[in-house]
Amino acid sequence: GQNIDQPTEMTATEGAIVQINCTYQTSGFNGLFWYQQHAGEAPTFLSYNVLDGLEEKGRFSSFLSRSKGYSYLLLKELQMKDSASYLCAVRDLEGGSYIPTFGRGTSLIVHP
Amino acid sequence: ETGVTQSPTHLIKTRGQQVTLRCSSQSGHNTVSWYQQALGQGPQFIFQYYREEENGRGNFPPRFSGLQFPNYSSELNVNALELDDSALYLCATGDRDGLGYTFGSGTRLTVV
Repeated sequence: GQNIDQPTEMTATEGAIVQINCTYQTSGFNGLFWYQQHAGEAPTFLSYNVLDGLEEKGRFSSFLSRSKGYSYLLLKELQMKDSASYLCAVRDLEGGSYIPTFGRGTSLIVHP
Repeated sequence: ETGVTQSPTHLIKTRGQQVTLRCSSQSGHNTVSWYQQALGQGPQFIFQYYREEENGRGNFPPRFSGLQFPNYSSELNVNALELDDSALYLCATGDRDGLGYTFGSGTRLTVV
């Protein structure tokens, strides 16, 4: 099984930078996803890390350290529309299938 | 519009009843996964189907069952509904290895 931890809620100011952390414990790690989910909507894919290091994609970057069981999502130049829940999900080999397991999500509130 | 369609969007059922939720994808992905998302929580994996066979299951009782059809559309059936089954039910289609997941907007089930 897996254990995934991320903060429940974070607040930040428009234009600022925010880092959302995720720690995990798993036996068959094979990648980590970040998803964004606005209230009442489907989760949408942000990033996928399978190797250590930083992946940058526009205003969003994601970092992974497999040895530490740690990832973060970095959001720059925050906009009001970035207010959403951010889900960390670990891809693990479970019974022969790679099933992403999600954390509880971090609710990010961006204020003016 | 994610290309993954779920129906109905909202549903109210009485405790003890049975419900069928549906999912279809325009992409023709041969893998579909179902998740339950309670309010303020991350999605919890129910099961996954690959080419009409169940190939992964989470910690859900047998009254949660599913089907995948030759056109890769899918159903989630829940028998003997309980109040705690009230949640957002998400389906996601992608490849067998859990990559390229695209989520539908979900069905909001309320059990009273």
